[in-house]
Amino acid sequence: EAQVTQNPRYLITVTGKKLTVTCSQNMNHEYMSWYRQDPGLGLRQIYYSMNVEVTDKGDVPEGYKVSRKEKRNFPLILESPSPNQTSLYFCASRTSGITDTQYFGPGTRLTVL
Amino acid sequence: GDSVTQMEGPVTLSEEAFLTINCTYTATGYPSLFWYVQYPGEGLQLLLKATKADDKGSNKGFEATYRKETTSFHLEKGSVQVSDSAVYFCALSDRKGSSYKLIFGSGTRLLVRP
Repeated sequence: EAQVTQNPRYLITVTGKKLTVTCSQNMNHEYMSWYRQDPGLGLRQIYYSMNVEVTDKGDVPEGYKVSRKEKRNFPLILESPSPNQTSLYFCASRTSGITDTQYFGPGTRLTVL
Repeated sequence: GDSVTQMEGPVTLSEEAFLTINCTYTATGYPSLFWYVQYPGEGLQLLLKATKADDKGSNKGFEATYRKETTSFHLEKGSVQVSDSAVYFCALSDRKGSSYKLIFGSGTRLLVRP
């Protein structure tokens, strides 16, 4: 089954404690993204990757890091989480065409205390 | 820059009512347009899309027509069901350098009552 998986689905942590949210896709897609979803703001792109070892900032990259060492994996790293990073996070993947469908993971709800 | 504007929700309807969720966009190029749906506790999934002016996307009884003259892509359904309760996102895909960026509206929550 074609899918994007994320782990963990729920996470409660404290300010400053480094964490990683994993993302994996089994569709051999070149393009992967991370978004955060906040009430009234829709989805905002954090980082994206056009292929292995190629990453770039989205609209709200501050406080986040990513890496793309393999085509299927695109982890999101919060080196020193802060309460304003409490949000719902989605990983997504697609091929590189402008009309192509983007596939989303189930989401990770992060709470930073 | 490119942007998408959706009507604010929540939209509350009775079962079998007619649904319209408005979406307008601003883009410098010739974007593709999408509607994504998010059911409670799930990620977004594609509902329908249209890739050029006057195209109509349709799926599961939902329709939307790409209107270049009014820069709109309104979502419609003739008879909603309780199972259609979800958050609906309008989005556009436009060129950004050598890649394509997907830009989302803020989402419209639909609640259908039995």
